[in-house]
Amino acid sequence: DTEVTQTPKHLVMGMTNKKSLKCEQHMGHRAMYWYKQKAKKPPELMFVYSYEKLSINESVPSRFSPECPNSSLLNLHLHALQPEDSALYLCASSHDPRDRDTEAFFGQGTRLTVV
Amino acid sequence: DAKTTQPTSMDCAEGRAANLPCNHSTISGNEYVYWYRQIHSQGPQYIIHGLKNNETNEMASLIITEDRKSSTLILPHATLRDTAVYYCIVRVPRFPSTNAGKSTFGDGTTLTVKP
Repeated sequence: DTEVTQTPKHLVMGMTNKKSLKCEQHMGHRAMYWYKQKAKKPPELMFVYSYEKLSINESVPSRFSPECPNSSLLNLHLHALQPEDSALYLCASSHDPRDRDTEAFFGQGTRLTVV
Repeated sequence: DAKTTQPTSMDCAEGRAANLPCNHSTISGNEYVYWYRQIHSQGPQYIIHGLKNNETNEMASLIITEDRKSSTLILPHATLRDTAVYYCIVRVPRFPSTNAGKSTFGDGTTLTVKP
């Protein structure tokens, strides 16, 4: 199984809503990532978890709150978002880069629209 | 992080080889070069990576210059399904960096394979 599964595929939320994006992998990877991608732009790294601990936060606003409850799951909790936060949110996983240099596997993304 | 520079777009005839260049003149000695591609609205897909030697797999070949300041991804027999945005990425090595695994996507090359 080389899949990274993201749910939901599409999400529309209001600016006062609280929602969560979910990501799951069963490849035994110990590093997991959240990226944000705006239309016609490359993915931008948001967070990196390594062995279930947050290792990189790219100065992301606090209205985005990541959580890694176990080695297979990664969540992104959303609260009080703005319309400009509308984007494709991508999850990825890999072997921990401190262990070895390997590729990352990406999910198909969640298309988020903030209204 | 080392930056990468790629042409904005390229065309290729179906069945011909597609050669996609990437400049990474500030790459450090222990940083890997990774290539991914992203077909419209899907998650990025890993293609190949290398450090200093040329690499080949079932999808592509990677040629890295001796000074490591540039590389070329070769798709030997391009098909219409290879139409995508191709990203060349320099990946922070696993050790000793505290940013191990951090990958910054450049703007990529949009490859259009034409019949």
